[in-house]
Amino acid sequence: EAGVTQFPSHSVIEKGQTVTLRCDPISGHDNLYWYRRVMGKEIKFLLHFVKESKQDESGMPNNRFLAERTGGTYSTLKVQPAELEDSGVYFCASSRQYEQYFGPGTRLTVT
Amino acid sequence: KQEVTQIPAALSVPEGENLVLNCSFTDSAIYNLQWFRQDPGKGLTSLLLIQSSQREQTSGRLNASLDKSSGRSTLYIAASQPGDSATYLCAVAGRGSTLGRLYFGRGTQLTVWP
Repeated sequence: EAGVTQFPSHSVIEKGQTVTLRCDPISGHDNLYWYRRVMGKEIKFLLHFVKESKQDESGMPNNRFLAERTGGTYSTLKVQPAELEDSGVYFCASSRQYEQYFGPGTRLTVT
Repeated sequence: KQEVTQIPAALSVPEGENLVLNCSFTDSAIYNLQWFRQDPGKGLTSLLLIQSSQREQTSGRLNASLDKSSGRSTLYIAASQPGDSATYLCAVAGRGSTLGRLYFGRGTQLTVWP
């Protein structure tokens, strides 16, 4: 069974630009989550999809972040426009029920 | 708001030692608790998941316990090996409207030297 995959593994963009991160969950997992870890802090929840619906998006920092999940399969997280404080590692996870399986993360650097 | 604390932040031990990593959380109304391992530059690997109704879970040399009422969990690693070197993260899942949302500690960075 393939694990959670994320693309790209690393992205370097300038402040004000747009970046789109992609996550492919484990096949058959209806639940998909986004998390973020900024330097020196703990991993923090961003949002939770159940199939294509947003179950909980209370962790999204502001309206520059937009997450979508097309047809209940893969998900994208767009940051527009990016700010310096958006730098960090963005993790995606999926689950069938309770146990979450994480992808390798996308390291975003905003300069 | 749920807060998760892990102690110690770093630990360096010789191979063969038995270890205890600690995790505490402020709100005992959790759904489950998950222990992860993270290797440098890699994602998180799930090690053990304990449901709120359980007291412990075991997998090989790993044993995790949960005392929900006191807001504590421990991860016990028996006969440590250099390959156990990694950062260990504790995460709790909330209940109700936050079901599914994991709250993480900052982790314990473990180094096991030969």
